[in-house]
Amino acid sequence: KNQVEQSPQSLIILEGKNCTLQCNYTVSPFSNLRWYKQDTGRGPVSLTIMTFSENTKSNGRYTATLDADTKQSSLHITASQLSDSASYICVAHAGNSGTYKYIFGTGTRLKVLA
Amino acid sequence: DAGVIQSPRHEVTEMGQEVTLRCKPISGHNSLFWYRQTMMRGLELLIYFNNNVPIDDSGMPEDRFSAKMPNASFSTLKIQPSEPRDSAVYFCASSSLGATETQYFGPGTRLLVL
Repeated sequence: KNQVEQSPQSLIILEGKNCTLQCNYTVSPFSNLRWYKQDTGRGPVSLTIMTFSENTKSNGRYTATLDADTKQSSLHITASQLSDSASYICVAHAGNSGTYKYIFGTGTRLKVLA
Repeated sequence: DAGVIQSPRHEVTEMGQEVTLRCKPISGHNSLFWYRQTMMRGLELLIYFNNNVPIDDSGMPEDRFSAKMPNASFSTLKIQPSEPRDSAVYFCASSSLGATETQYFGPGTRLLVL
């Protein structure tokens, strides 16, 4: 069964601190894995997209890692800012030959405090 | 570019009424996606189009839901008849063709069915 599990469900950190969000996925055949940031009341915004052959990708203070062997991904946020407060959604993309399935995690809600 | 445009932004209707949600993708994008997001179920992909052709509608919950893309710059998602359990935020997203292309989300339509 295709599924994506994220942890923790929620997280509170102080401004300036680092944090790491986890995503475990079981999808077949695996195509790519995406991390989105979603501010309250807005649409998701893509942070990173990683294929099977990529094991790390950065977007500013956001760094995603992918371990295709253990089927795990993480999103590391460095020097957090108040604006990082949002939900972070992991999405595994399964399929090939033009037909794809998107399997969504339920997200990690991050709150950054001053 | 104005980004993905959705209308209306908010819709309140009574059970049994027809609801039509509209989306204008980013110019030049060949793929369009309709998503639904609720607190209980998170983000779900309903249907996606490549070059105006529906590719996968397996996420459409029931026959009450239908989606069309008559041209490259316009798509609709229709619910007829609407039910209270359809209350959710509906997002439209677009991207260039390709499995690893970034999807750009619209601001969403918040639907409340009474």
